[in-house]
Amino acid sequence: KAGVTQTPRYLIKTRGQQVTLSCSPISGHRSVSWYQQTPGQGLQFLFEYFSETQRNKGNFPGRFSGRQFSNSRSEMNVSTLELGDSALYLCASTLTGGHKVDTQYFGPGTRLTVL
Amino acid sequence: LAKTTQPISMDSYEGQEVNITCSHNNIATNDYITWYQQFPSQGPRFIIQGYKTKVTNEVASLFIPADRKSSTLSLPRVSLSDTAVYYCLVGDRSGANNLFFGTGTRLTVIP
Repeated sequence: KAGVTQTPRYLIKTRGQQVTLSCSPISGHRSVSWYQQTPGQGLQFLFEYFSETQRNKGNFPGRFSGRQFSNSRSEMNVSTLELGDSALYLCASTLTGGHKVDTQYFGPGTRLTVL
Repeated sequence: LAKTTQPISMDSYEGQEVNITCSHNNIATNDYITWYQQFPSQGPRFIIQGYKTKVTNEVASLFIPADRKSSTLSLPRVSLSDTAVYYCLVGDRSGANNLFFGTGTRLTVIP
């Protein structure tokens, strides 16, 4: 089974621009979560999508948004980029929900640099 | 969500057993304990998960005492390739998948 794929792997943008990142989960997985990782803040949860609906959201400003398509692929968008948005953006997929914490399978990430 | 506390860093020589302890005093009844490993510029990778007592797989063991307020990840005979950051997480599903990763423990294996 193919793993989680993220595109692009690297991206350079300037302040004020917007960016869209893409994530394709493992086949059959319906939940996609997004995380931001920076040296100072570590891994921080952005949001989770399940069956095209945002199920939970972290503590990020409205400039960060996302969506999920019917094939479970997900995109996240960051508008009006700031220097502090430079980070590794990770996508994780899980099969579904349930009592037990599902294993999250992470993609390689997209390294975003804002100049 | 229960938060966790881990040592920031640890050093170990190759071939030794490494034990990383995680404190999670506010763990709830339905919470499971999960450990992830992360190499630089890669996404975290699942290592092991448990609810109580001891769990063992091909790469690690997880020890959880009766009160479940802490857990210990045990890596037998580490090698240089085990140098990574290790995260301890606790959580249940609750219809959400927003696991709190914390700062993790940076393990450095020395030759």
